[in-house]
Amino acid sequence: AQSVSQHNHHVILSEAASLELGCNYSYGGTVNLFWYVQYPGQHLQLLLKYFSGDPLVKGIKGFEAEFIKSKFSFNLRKPSVQWSDTAEYFCAVNAGGNQGGKLIFGQGTELSVKP
Amino acid sequence: DTAVSQTPKYLVTQMGNDKSIKCEQNLGHDTMYWYKQDSKKFLKIMFSYNNKELIINETVPNRFSPKSPDKAHLNLHINSLELGDSAVYFCASSQLALSNYGYTFGSGTRLTVV
Repeated sequence: AQSVSQHNHHVILSEAASLELGCNYSYGGTVNLFWYVQYPGQHLQLLLKYFSGDPLVKGIKGFEAEFIKSKFSFNLRKPSVQWSDTAEYFCAVNAGGNQGGKLIFGQGTELSVKP
Repeated sequence: DTAVSQTPKYLVTQMGNDKSIKCEQNLGHDTMYWYKQDSKKFLKIMFSYNNKELIINETVPNRFSPKSPDKAHLNLHINSLELGDSAVYFCASSQLALSNYGYTFGSGTRLTVV
């Protein structure tokens, strides 16, 4: 069965620190990969997505992620975080084939940025 | 204009009651979903409809019954509510033919069963 694993449950950083959130998935075929952000009390918003092509994808708000196929990873990065980045971050996988568009989510990483 | 709208935003009810959550999308998407987010923020798919047809039905108790009157609406009815049903329920939509499109989520319905 497909699964997504996010290594960090809670990350605490000071403003201007660099961020990297880990995400690994288990599925041997073609995948589409996503990072979503959920600000406190709000719905999920798409940060970035990878389908094919350049494995380094850039998203909104200065976030980027790198797809490393050999490691089944799709880590999220930001060079300098801001207090407003405090949120829950979810990695998700949409496996290829007749999956009905199902997204499998990781368990989420809570990011707290101290001003 | 809200793309995916859910009502109500908050729902507090007693055990044993029956309740419904409504979802509507105005994006012209052909597929809609219900996800449940538990107290640990874990998101799990419950149902998916494509053009009013059920295409995903995860292991969900029979007390949960989705209904899609048209491709722009997907409602969730829950019978005999239990304490464990307390969660945030998110509706989402996508264009399935573009499977790499990603979802658009609604703002969620926080259900509290007391």
